[in-house]
Amino acid sequence: QVQLVQSGAEERRPGASVVLSCMASGYTFNDYYIHWVRQTPGQGPEWLGLINPTGGSTNYAQKFRGRVSMTRDTSTTTVYMELSSLRSEDTAVYSCARGVRGLHYFDLWGQGTLVIVSS
Amino acid sequence: QSALTQPASVSESPGQSVTISCTGTSNDVGRFNSVSWYQHHPGKAPKVIIYGVNNRPSGVSDRFSASKSGNTASLTISGLLPEDEADYLCSSYTSNSSWVFGRGTKLTVL
Repeated sequence: QVQLVQSGAEERRPGASVVLSCMASGYTFNDYYIHWVRQTPGQGPEWLGLINPTGGSTNYAQKFRGRVSMTRDTSTTTVYMELSSLRSEDTAVYSCARGVRGLHYFDLWGQGTLVIVSS
Repeated sequence: QSALTQPASVSESPGQSVTISCTGTSNDVGRFNSVSWYQHHPGKAPKVIIYGVNNRPSGVSDRFSASKSGNTASLTISGLLPEDEADYLCSSYTSNSSWVFGRGTKLTVL
C-alpha cells in the first residue's frame, strides 16, 4: 500500500526541539521528494521545506532556515524533520507530503502529527 | 511569501456549479503553470484534484475543472454532490523555489 505514516503527537516546552518522522512505503523512495507542511487553526497550510531522498539535498522555506533540518534514512525509507527553538506559534499539525518531481504538486499526504508547544 | 487569497466559504445547491478563486501574485500564480487544488475532508489527508493549473489526476471526476488568468486561478465544480462538501485548498510554486497555499475555502452543499 502506497502511504506515508507519521510519528505520534508531541508536546514540548518553548525553546526545545522536536523531531518528527515520516515513513514511506509502497513505492520507490528515491523517485519522489518529501515535503513538510504545517497548518495552524484558522491559517492556511505553510510550507516548511523539502528533501530529495536521492542524495539528501534540501530546500527550506526562508522563514524556517536556521531552525529546521530535514534528513532521510534510505534503509528504512524514513524522512525526519527537526524544528528547534520552538515557540508557542509553532503549535500546529505537521504533515509530510510526497512531491512529484517537476510538476510541483503533492500527490500523497501523511496523516499529520500534532505538535503542541506550551509552558 | 504571503498566502494565496481564497474566499473563506461558498455554498451552492446540489446539481449546481460553483467556482472558487485563488489569487496570488506575479511571483507565483501568475508566473508558473504550477497551481494545484486539494480537496480536504476534516480528519482526512488532503487529496489532489487538479495539478498544473488544469490537469486532473487519474480517478478524479471530470466534474472538477480549473483554469488560470493572470494572477488568479479558479476551480469549478459542476453537478455538485453532497460528498463534495469539504475544504478546498489551492497551492502554487513560487519564484523563491518554495510553495505557497491559500487559507482554504469551505464548500457547503446546501
